[in-house]
This record gives sequence, structure tokens and C-alpha cells, in this order.
Amino acid sequence: AQTVTQSQPEMSVQEAETVTLSCTYDTSESDYYLFWYKQPPSRQMILVIRQEAYKQQNATENRFSVNFQKAAKSFSLKISDSQLGDAAMYFCAYRRGRGTGNQFYFGTGTSLTVIP
Amino acid sequence: NAGVTQTPKFRILKIGQSMTLQCTQDMNHNYMYWYRQDPGMGLKLIYYSVGAGITDKGEVPNGYNVSRSTTEDFPLRLELAAPSQTSVYFCASRDTPGSYNEQFFGPGTRLTVL
Repeated sequence: AQTVTQSQPEMSVQEAETVTLSCTYDTSESDYYLFWYKQPPSRQMILVIRQEAYKQQNATENRFSVNFQKAAKSFSLKISDSQLGDAAMYFCAYRRGRGTGNQFYFGTGTSLTVIP
Repeated sequence: NAGVTQTPKFRILKIGQSMTLQCTQDMNHNYMYWYRQDPGMGLKLIYYSVGAGITDKGEVPNGYNVSRSTTEDFPLRLELAAPSQTSVYFCASRDTPGSYNEQFFGPGTRLTVL
């Protein structure tokens, strides 16, 4: 089975500052997809950003960007200009690109606190 | 569109009781998934389905059963509830084809087994 590791159980950031959440994964595949999901206290899982492994360019969505290092199997999330609404659990997820099932594998999450 | 809906939102079961967690999506997605999330942990896949009539086991299927008679519905059945099944259960769906497609999640069901 694939493994996704988030080594930071908790992180905090001052409002308006920048924070980076880490994620590493283990795979022997060359074709796969990576995702960051946000889970606020409401428990609703919300997609933040996604990255295709074959794309060199790092994905960006407004204040959210990733640093995708394929050789190092690293997929970190950078949140710029942090806002109070960014406070949540963040989960990194991996999905193989080919084959049936297309299971998603999730990390254990990083709890982000935003300090006013 | 309501997206992915789950019922009930909360449930308390006694050991040995049975129940069905309901999941419905109105996006005509082929793929549907059931996950459980234990406290402080990520999501673990229980079962998934790639279309009506087709289901398969995920990482943690023991103690659960599923069926998929329609595209819209993907119920999860607990036959003999055990305390180890206390968790939050999420249903998700995904469109195909297109490997890039994200999963859309329901709001979750919090289940406690006493």
C-alpha cells in the first residue's frame, strides 16, 4: 500500500504570515496525483489544491501553492497571507494514476492554528 | 445540486446492533467511496465502488458490507457493531474519466458504539 506522511501534527501561524505544511509519500509509480484537503471544524472535506505528477510546474490556487519535488517524493503546501478562516486540519492525499479502484491514500493530517 | 449527502449525522449504537449508513450523490458520479476517520488520524478507505453493481474492498473492510444497486446510492452496513467501529464515517464520490478528478465528500456521520 502507498503511504503518505505528514510529520507535523500541529502548526501555528500569525495572521497575514506565511506557513508551509509538509507531506512526503512513498510510491514506485511514475503516474499519480497529489491533493491537499482542508477539514474545518464542520468536518466537511474541501479540496484546496491538486498536482499531477507529470507536470513540472507547481500548482497554485490564489494564496495556496505547492512545492512538488518528485525525486524527493515531497509535496508541501504553502499558505500565504494566512487568514483566520484557514484554521483547520489539512490532509495530504495520494492517488495512483492508472488502474482500477483509484484509491486515495491520506496522511494523518496537520492541525493549523491561525493566531490573530 | 445537493452534492453528497449522508444520513444520519450522529448515531449511538449498542454492541452487537446493526445499522446502515446512507450515502447519496446527485452528480451522476461513477466512483463512490466509504472512509472512516478515527480521532487524530487520516481517512482510511473501507470500501469503494466503480459503478452500479461493482464494489471492492479498501484498506479496512472487516465488519462492514456495501452494495451499489444504483449510481446514486452507496449504503454502508454494519452488522454487529463493536466499540472499535466508533469513528466518523465519510462518503465520497468522484467523476470518471479523468484521473485528475477530485473526490467530493459528504458531511460525515459520527458513530459511537457503546
